[in-house]
Amino acid sequence: GAGVSQSPRYKVAKRGQDVALRCDPISGHVSLFWYQQALGQGPEFLTYFQNEAQLDKSGLPSDRFFAERPEGSVSTLKIQRTQKEDSAVYLCASTPTTGGGGYGYTFGSGTRLTVV
Amino acid sequence: GNSVTQMEGPVTLSEEAFLTINCTYTATGYPSLFWYVQYPGEGLQLLLKATKADDKGSNKGFEATYRKETTSFHLEKGSVQVSDSAVYFCALSFQGAQKLVFGQGTRLTINP
Repeated sequence: GAGVSQSPRYKVAKRGQDVALRCDPISGHVSLFWYQQALGQGPEFLTYFQNEAQLDKSGLPSDRFFAERPEGSVSTLKIQRTQKEDSAVYLCASTPTTGGGGYGYTFGSGTRLTVV
Repeated sequence: GNSVTQMEGPVTLSEEAFLTINCTYTATGYPSLFWYVQYPGEGLQLLLKATKADDKGSNKGFEATYRKETTSFHLEKGSVQVSDSAVYFCALSFQGAQKLVFGQGTRLTINP
């Protein structure tokens, strides 16, 4: 597609519920990233995929967070047993290459998760 | 560890005023530096970048110079417009490392 698409745009979850957030990267983009942006803060890295391989998951805050990209295109970020501190905007980004260095990122508009 | 610190916001200016948003970084080695902008309801967009010391990034009238001696990358614009109202993020990354490290963001509002 023309850009990175994320769905849903907004999600309200009751504490303890599981949620799944979807990211459709730009077609053909090799690299895909998830970031978490708390209110009033900058985005913080969660995890990185190169094609279907999850090469870096050092930013996932707990084992309740799980991400996958089984066919190297669409990715899903799953949060189990949501807690109030999980409330944030979850951003997805993709790049066409594996070169890294912060170049060529295209960000989606994000999913705003509110845990009540 | 690697980190980015931006000036506290929000910043409110009148149209045609001069803008400076301060950004300093802490890093081991020599990162690439970026300014991203987030307009209301939209995703983060790259505004400008610089890859080595003394490089100047520029775009849409905005400029920032990579200062290794002061570990800074301040964003400037000589005459702001209402359409520049947005949240601005300073960020760094390293070649070979995939992730961006962001500052906390500075909300800019330009009044007509």
